[in-house]
Amino acid sequence: QSALTQPASVSGSPGQSITISCTGTSSDVGGYNYVSWYQQHPGKAPKLMIYEVSNRPSGVSNRFSGSKSGNTASLTISGLQAEDEADYYCSSYTSSSTHVVFGGGTKLTVL
Amino acid sequence: EVQLLESGGGLVQPGGSLRLSCAASGFTFSSYAMSWVRQAPGKGLEWVSGISGSGGSTYYADSVKGRFTISRDNSKNTLYLQMNSLRAEDTAVYYCAKAIAVAGRSYYYYGMDVWGQGTTVTVSS
Repeated sequence: QSALTQPASVSGSPGQSITISCTGTSSDVGGYNYVSWYQQHPGKAPKLMIYEVSNRPSGVSNRFSGSKSGNTASLTISGLQAEDEADYYCSSYTSSSTHVVFGGGTKLTVL
Repeated sequence: EVQLLESGGGLVQPGGSLRLSCAASGFTFSSYAMSWVRQAPGKGLEWVSGISGSGGSTYYADSVKGRFTISRDNSKNTLYLQMNSLRAEDTAVYYCAKAIAVAGRSYYYYGMDVWGQGTTVTVSS
């Protein structure tokens, strides 16, 4: 069981917007602004999409945005495109002895 | 081009040892914290270990504490993961990853912006 809770799957049609949630506790997501989001296509290494809750690395499309409210972080993808179909993982710093925790991942299907 | 290249994976018996390496190029290696992240077959990502840029501070997930050791040789631009007392549940693809820098600082819990292609570790008799 992952420390952070994500929905197993979400779907949307091209052009639509979707949001993926990532729920933790006050010891991780709620307590620190060190939430990151990763995109992973099958057989590939993960790619950083968002860091520090809402910052985009250079080269990442502005269709991807992040936010946080309380113990829940969210990744929103606007203007869905076929190439957005992938697995998405959130992660957070945690004050527990394991230091960094990931969510279980969310499979995004573009219909 | 910024690049990370892992090596050292393979098949090992339960209780055995393995050392993974990650060769870095295209950036000032010593300026960035680094991590190892693994992914069991068909499963999600799991952070394993992190190390500061100087190598003076190391961090481990509870699941590997006391069995794995992370280290780096900044003169060789190489990150290592020594894995001892391996168990079946350690079977996974192991990725090395570079921590992003924010305001000139790089900590292992910042986002990981560069990843290697991964090396596969299989623990089985």
